[in-house]
Amino acid sequence: GESVGLHLPTLSVQEGDNSIINCAYSNSASDYFIWYKQESGKGPQFIIDIRSNMDKRQGQRVTVLLNKTVKHLSLQIAATQPGDSAVYFCAELTSGGSYIPTFGRGTSLIVHP
Amino acid sequence: DVKVTQSSRYLVKRTGEKVFLECVQDMDHENMFWYRQDPGLGLRLIYFSYDVKMKEKGDIPEGYSVSREKKERFSLILESASTNQTSMYLCASATPPGGEAEAFFGQGTRLTVV
Repeated sequence: GESVGLHLPTLSVQEGDNSIINCAYSNSASDYFIWYKQESGKGPQFIIDIRSNMDKRQGQRVTVLLNKTVKHLSLQIAATQPGDSAVYFCAELTSGGSYIPTFGRGTSLIVHP
Repeated sequence: DVKVTQSSRYLVKRTGEKVFLECVQDMDHENMFWYRQDPGLGLRLIYFSYDVKMKEKGDIPEGYSVSREKKERFSLILESASTNQTSMYLCASATPPGGEAEAFFGQGTRLTVV
């Protein structure tokens, strides 16, 4: 039979709305953070990154905010589109040590037309 | 564009079989990783390698081994496959510590052990 695992946190939005996906990281020594997007049946793809000497970075329709005080990262997607539907992961890294990305559990974003 | 290629998209193997998952990257990256991905558990690191013939255990190495004989190729080996190893396996490569580059992923291999 099919195994049942934990359910992912899910965010449902309407097309055109702004989406905010949150991530708490664990290592206060982490100084490099990445957001990945994983569409069904594919490997994770890079969206945007940020270093710990910044608190905000903007890309095309996406913004990442970093709050080191509370070890929190967020990804904002403007004017969300159906093609944004995917699972989003944050990853934390420590550049001074061995380069091993540690991933959060992920958030499933569902965009309704 | 960086390319990380995994040899199979889908595999079905029997319990007790020895299984090889192959991964090749074309960007001359030093670091390579194998993760498994299960519903609600995110990506968990099995093994990683920071150089040819070098390997380190990740968070869940039990039941797995790896091989890195050439810089571009990192293989994951299931010595005796079990049903609890049914999962999505993801290979990634990256530049050394301090580099700007993110980890690049392959498309994944969905392994079913019956």
